[in-house]
Amino acid sequence: NAGVTQTPKFRILKIGQSMTLQCTQDMNHNYMYWYRQDPGMGLKLIYYSVGAGITDKGEVPNGYNVSRSTTEDFPLRLELAAPSQTSVYFCASSQRGLAGVREQYFGPGTRLTVT
Amino acid sequence: GDSVTQMEGPVTLSEEAFLTINCTYTATGYPSLFWYVQYPGEGLQLLLKATKADDKGSNKGFEATYRKETTSFHLEKGSVQVSDSAVYFCALTGDSGAGSYQLTFGKGTKLSVIP
Repeated sequence: NAGVTQTPKFRILKIGQSMTLQCTQDMNHNYMYWYRQDPGMGLKLIYYSVGAGITDKGEVPNGYNVSRSTTEDFPLRLELAAPSQTSVYFCASSQRGLAGVREQYFGPGTRLTVT
Repeated sequence: GDSVTQMEGPVTLSEEAFLTINCTYTATGYPSLFWYVQYPGEGLQLLLKATKADDKGSNKGFEATYRKETTSFHLEKGSVQVSDSAVYFCALTGDSGAGSYQLTFGKGTKLSVIP
């Protein structure tokens, strides 16, 4: 059971370039999330999805896009990279249980630098 | 909106010392409370959780009790080890609507344990 996997682990982008961060989970979870982690700032939610075909904005969605065509995959797209998007990006997933939504499981992260 | 406040770090302790990391929250209703741990270079892992008032979460010698009267969820461990060195995040999910599956994080507390 791999859990939540993310690729790539590291990436350096030039300003204005675009890229897609990949996220896959094999736990058949309905809910998936993208967070960014800036130094000393905790994690902030970028986008989330409650199921295939359904996505919604989190706290800091500007400059990003997502899609959810399958239960397993939840890619995050950066269209015009800016230095402010230098961060560590985490994907997570969770499932609904009888007592509500259960805890989130996190991937290992993607460290992105925009120069 | 919901928020989590945890003590500022970094915290440096000697091996076998007692650990307390304070966490207080602001949320309506009855949120679920979590402690996540992030070891260097890794993603977040769930350490423990509590879903209702007076519940005690525990794992790997760590404990935290859900105190609704003081809106707190302080993390404690009686005797820390070098291997406990990590960043600890307090987090919550709300009890209804979109807040029931979105994690709100504190900023994190870095713990260093020296031999």
